[in-house]
Amino acid sequence: GAVVSQHPSRVICKSGTSVKIECRSLDFQATTMFWYRQFPKQSLMLMATSNEGSKATYEQGVEKDKFLINHASLTLSTLTVTSAHPEDSSFYICSARDIVAVKGLQAFFGQGTRLTVV
Amino acid sequence: AQKITQTQPGMFVQEKEAVTLDCTYDTSDQSYGLFWYKQPSSGEMIFLIYQGSYDEQNATEGRYSLNFQKARKSANLVISASQLGDSAMYFCAMSATGFQKLVFGTGTRLLVSP
Repeated sequence: GAVVSQHPSRVICKSGTSVKIECRSLDFQATTMFWYRQFPKQSLMLMATSNEGSKATYEQGVEKDKFLINHASLTLSTLTVTSAHPEDSSFYICSARDIVAVKGLQAFFGQGTRLTVV
Repeated sequence: AQKITQTQPGMFVQEKEAVTLDCTYDTSDQSYGLFWYKQPSSGEMIFLIYQGSYDEQNATEGRYSLNFQKARKSANLVISASQLGDSAMYFCAMSATGFQKLVFGTGTRLLVSP
């Protein structure tokens, strides 16, 4: 299957600083990538849809100025958590769809990033 | 709006036994896809199986099969011959055709015992 690489896998940052998370599709092109957030022992909740070359579409209740998403190329999307606070501590995971995959509706996920804000 | 319901927070099964994880869904879309993902403690989401709403046959992938009952809006995952490595969280999810966002259920934690 296609590979999505997410980096870093773990990050600890101080309150008030910003953190950037990268999501790369390694062997396919992804016009659309998705960013999810998962609190401990809970389900994945979609934060935003990232479209190559255009602005991201945010889900209701997600602060777009706090969670900056950039999708500059067909293989890279980034999520920046700005002015992070302890309540932003969570597991963030991206996914991408291979536009030419045989199983075209399958989404491939990155390994996830566990963010801890202290 | 789409909704996925997984009513089993936890399931236990003995090694080599089969287990069924329940999933019901609600959608007004005529065309949609149903997915099952496995999430081990490491956090990665591992794709298991996919069923399209117009697929007439139940999907199968190795030890995984999807019991799709469209009229009942259910898409249960059946794992045959459980292995210790199957212990993980399992999420049912759906999307509208054309693959927009995935909507996930709350998950079922499966524990396989020796």
